[in-house]
Amino acid sequence: NAGVTQTPKFRVLKTGQSMTLLCAQDMNHEYMYWYRQDPGMGLRLIHYSVGEGTTAKGEVPDGYNVSRLKKQNFLLGLESAAPSQTSVYFCASSYSLGSISYEQYFGPGTRLTVT
Amino acid sequence: RKEVEQDPGPFNVPEGATVAFNCTYSNSASQSFFWYRQDCRKEPKLLMSVYSSGNEDGRFTAQLNRASQYISLLIRDSKLSDSATYLCVVIVVAGTASKLTFGTGTRLQVTL
Repeated sequence: NAGVTQTPKFRVLKTGQSMTLLCAQDMNHEYMYWYRQDPGMGLRLIHYSVGEGTTAKGEVPDGYNVSRLKKQNFLLGLESAAPSQTSVYFCASSYSLGSISYEQYFGPGTRLTVT
Repeated sequence: RKEVEQDPGPFNVPEGATVAFNCTYSNSASQSFFWYRQDCRKEPKLLMSVYSSGNEDGRFTAQLNRASQYISLLIRDSKLSDSATYLCVVIVVAGTASKLTFGTGTRLQVTL
């Protein structure tokens, strides 16, 4: 049981380049999330999905796109990377957002640097 | 005012000490509360949920004060391994439109 995995772990991009971050979970969770974490800013929600084929915007969605074609996978795309997107990206999944017993399980993170 | 606020610290305490952190929230409709722990350069992991009546898990006690809109985490008999950043999470429950907000975290450093 791998939990939540993310690929790649590290990446350096030049401004304007594109890339896709892959998140996979094997816990049969309905909900999946993409966050970015910057010093002094905490975790900020980029996009999330409440089920296969659905996505929704979070707090900071601009410059990112997502897709959830399969229940176990959630992809985050950067079409034209900018230095402001240098950050640590975390994927997470959970059974339900509204449950009192809710817990998010996080992947190990992707450290992205845009030069 | 930020939706969720935490003192960033660091809180430097000796081993064996008792330390407490608070986390204030601005939305009175907030319904679910959690404490996560994040080690340096690692992913956050759930430490404990916060129940209305307060709850304890070993050396850790979490409490909720709805009137003053804050949650607290008390750590007794601190261990070196407790050194980490503690993130509070506040959820406003509204079905698929539920909103989850992380605090920026409070850093704890336990020393010999």
